[in-house]
Amino acid sequence: DAGVTQSPTHLIKTRGQQVTLRCSPKSGHDTVSWYQQALGQGPQFIFQYYEEEERQRGNFPDRFSGHQFPNYSSELNVNALLLGDSALYLCASSLSSGLPTDTQYFGPGTRLTVL
Amino acid sequence: LAKTTQPISMDSYEGQEVNITCSHNNIATNDYITWYQQFPSQGPRFIIQGYKTKVTNEVASLFIPADRKSSTLSLPRVSLSDTAVYYCLVGPINRGSTLGRLYFGRGTQLTVWP
Repeated sequence: DAGVTQSPTHLIKTRGQQVTLRCSPKSGHDTVSWYQQALGQGPQFIFQYYEEEERQRGNFPDRFSGHQFPNYSSELNVNALLLGDSALYLCASSLSSGLPTDTQYFGPGTRLTVL
Repeated sequence: LAKTTQPISMDSYEGQEVNITCSHNNIATNDYITWYQQFPSQGPRFIIQGYKTKVTNEVASLFIPADRKSSTLSLPRVSLSDTAVYYCLVGPINRGSTLGRLYFGRGTQLTVWP
């Protein structure tokens, strides 16, 4: 059973460019969340997708957008890249069963470097 | 939202038991306590989750006192491979409709020495 997968593993962009990161959730999971982790910090919540809709959003500007597809996979798009967007971008998936044991499983992340 | 406080760093030696305590004085009735482990340049890995009393799995134990204002992650007989950052999170469990975002602090850097 494959866990959460993300692509690409690493990415280098320049300021002002746009980037798309991809995530495939763990088999059977229907909810995808995206997090940004700067060096030395804990992951910060960007947004969450469920049933192809953005359900929650953290304190990130509109340059950050996303999408969830019918197969539950997801994309994170960042426009007009800034140097400060350099970070590890993590995708987490979970199953919205409503049980107390719902847990978010994280992928390995995409390391984005903005020059 | 319950804020958590945990030590920035801890050191231990191989074979010892390690206890990492997390304070969450403002925990709400519907909040669960979850611990994640993260190695450098990898995503956090779920370790254990609990609501009250004691929870044990093959990796760790989680002790939660009756007032739930703190919790202790216990790692038995640590090895070098347990060197990682450990995060304590408090929040409602994912219900799909509105909940499920995780709030991470800076975590506790555990270093295990030979």
